[in-house]
Amino acid sequence: GAGVSQTPSNKVTEKGKYVELRCDPISGHTALYWYRQSLGQGPEFLIYFQGTGAADDSGLPNDRFFAVRPEGSVSTLKIQRTERGDSAVYLCASSLGPINEQFFGPGTRLTVL
Amino acid sequence: AQKVTQAQTEISVVEKEDVTLDCVYETRDTTYYLFWYKQPPSGELVFLIRRNSFDEQNEISGRYSWNFQKSTSSFNFTITASQVVDSAVYFCALLYTGANSKLTFGKGITLSVRP
Repeated sequence: GAGVSQTPSNKVTEKGKYVELRCDPISGHTALYWYRQSLGQGPEFLIYFQGTGAADDSGLPNDRFFAVRPEGSVSTLKIQRTERGDSAVYLCASSLGPINEQFFGPGTRLTVL
Repeated sequence: AQKVTQAQTEISVVEKEDVTLDCVYETRDTTYYLFWYKQPPSGELVFLIRRNSFDEQNEISGRYSWNFQKSTSSFNFTITASQVVDSAVYFCALLYTGANSKLTFGKGITLSVRP
């Protein structure tokens, strides 16, 4: 079956602009996660959804970052007033439940100029 | 605090050599899960294994094997008879049930297998 998909694969934007990154999880997976990976580092947790609600958003770096999952499937990560330090690969993962293995999408590479 | 340490940063071997990737974790929880993921040059993280804290049996899957030792808080990964296609970054990760299921990753080990 289809894996986790993410769009766009690459996004280049200018400092101060607003961006949206989309994640389509594996069908039937109720848990969805966003991570951020900087060069040479492991992925760092941003936010976890169980169904439509954000069960844990403790990894969001500040209030410029926000994510939604209105129908319990597709999720959008939104970043306002982007800064150069936001440049990274943003990874989405989904799983059957909170203790199951997480399957990752290909990521969106965000570059803020 | 939850932490995963992958002390090796880069390993280079010649094809057909065996190689072991080390992973040491820290957690106060008694119930937790350990994972290994592979990130090939294409960039997509590939799930390899999940192990819960109550199961210390070693696991073998083809050329891959994992050694889990709670006494030393280690979950090491061995590739037998390495192949060029094994070249990738390998991440060890910890999931503890008290944290609403976020994975804590190590920094990764870059494995290069030369022909």
